[in-house]
Amino acid sequence: KQEVTQIPAALSVPEGENLVLNCSFTDSAIYNLQWFRQDPGKGLTSLLLIQSSQREQTSGRLNASLDKSSGRSTLYIAASQPGDSATYLCAVERGGSQGNLIFGKGTKLSVKP
Amino acid sequence: NAGVTQTPKFRILKIGQSMTLQCTQDMNHNYMYWYRQDPGMGLKLIYYSVGAGITDKGEVPNGYNVSRSTTEDFPLRLELAAPSQTSVYFCASSVARGASYGYTFGSGTRLTVV
Repeated sequence: KQEVTQIPAALSVPEGENLVLNCSFTDSAIYNLQWFRQDPGKGLTSLLLIQSSQREQTSGRLNASLDKSSGRSTLYIAASQPGDSATYLCAVERGGSQGNLIFGKGTKLSVKP
Repeated sequence: NAGVTQTPKFRILKIGQSMTLQCTQDMNHNYMYWYRQDPGMGLKLIYYSVGAGITDKGEVPNGYNVSRSTTEDFPLRLELAAPSQTSVYFCASSVARGASYGYTFGSGTRLTVV
């Protein structure tokens, strides 16, 4: 059974710091891995998607890497800002499964001015 | 362009009551999904649909029913509400199979069963 774990559960950093969020999964037979942002009272916003054949994806200050063989992904946020405060969710899509994303519990990030 | 719209945003139900959570998308997406998120947990798939008239169970379907009579609408029905169904429910859609095509999520329905 695929399980997704995110560490740490919560993180508080001062503004401007670079930070790394971690995601691990137990079954390497994934179709892709996706990072989402969740703001209180709102839906999920997709940040980055990495196909199983890719190693990383970048969007602005965000960089996500994928090491399928070790079952790990990291989300790197450069020069963090208070507006980055949110919960970050990692999800893997299993091969052969119709959009069944397996989510981690998330990392709640607080960036203090 | 409204995206995915969920109603209501909040609801309190008594044990044994029934209700329908509404979900509508205006992007002509074929695929639609219902997820639930329990406090401090990740999202889990309840049901999904690959097109009008076609639905299938996800990871946690017990206690729920769905229908898909149109491309736009994908309502989720709770027949006999139980405290274990207290959760935040998210509807999502995508143009085709898989996250590669991009998921659009609604803002959620927060349901409390007392």
